Amino acid sequence: AQTVTQSQPEMSVQEAETVTLSCTYDTSENNYYLFWYKQPPSRQMILVIRQEAYKQQNATENRFSVNFQKAAKSFSLKISDSQLGDTAMYFCAFMKFMDSNYQLIWGAGTKLIIKP
Amino acid sequence: DVKVTQSSRYLVKRTGEKVFLECVQDMDHENMFWYRQDPGLGLRLIYFSYDVKMKEKGDIPEGYSVSREKKERFSLILESASTNQTSMYLCASSDTGVRNEQFFGPGTRLTVL
Repeated sequence: AQTVTQSQPEMSVQEAETVTLSCTYDTSENNYYLFWYKQPPSRQMILVIRQEAYKQQNATENRFSVNFQKAAKSFSLKISDSQLGDTAMYFCAFMKFMDSNYQLIWGAGTKLIIKP
Repeated sequence: DVKVTQSSRYLVKRTGEKVFLECVQDMDHENMFWYRQDPGLGLRLIYFSYDVKMKEKGDIPEGYSVSREKKERFSLILESASTNQTSMYLCASSDTGVRNEQFFGPGTRLTVL
């Protein structure tokens, strides 16, 4: 069974620092997608970044980048120059293909607090 | 601006009541999902739908049912609410395609007393 593990329940850093959130997953598939979603306090969940497993290049979206290590089944999120607005729950998710449909398998989440 | 709306942000119900949670999306998406979110457990899929009048069970369908009579609307029904269904319920929608992101509603925090 595919699983997604986020080993850091909570993290806090000072504003402007760089922070890395870890995520590992378990799958026997070779082609898949990985996502990081962000859920700010009392606001809607939004997509931060996605990575296709067949691409060797790590995805980047402005201050957000990933370190995708396929062999190690690791998919960490790096936030550079962190801002107060980055305070949120962050969820790692793995897209699985099942019965001709696609579903997301979610990690437990990491609560990130950016301190002023 | 894409939008997924849910009928209530907060809901308090009694044990045994029938509860309806409504979700509407305005993006003409084929796919719609219902999750529950509990601390330390992440999001768990209850039901999903890939077309009108079509539904599939997710990982935790027990105690729930769904209805999708129109493409834009996906309802979650708790036939007889129980205290262990107290949770945050999130609705999401997505376009067809494995790489397409899911767009989420604001969530409904349901408390069953």
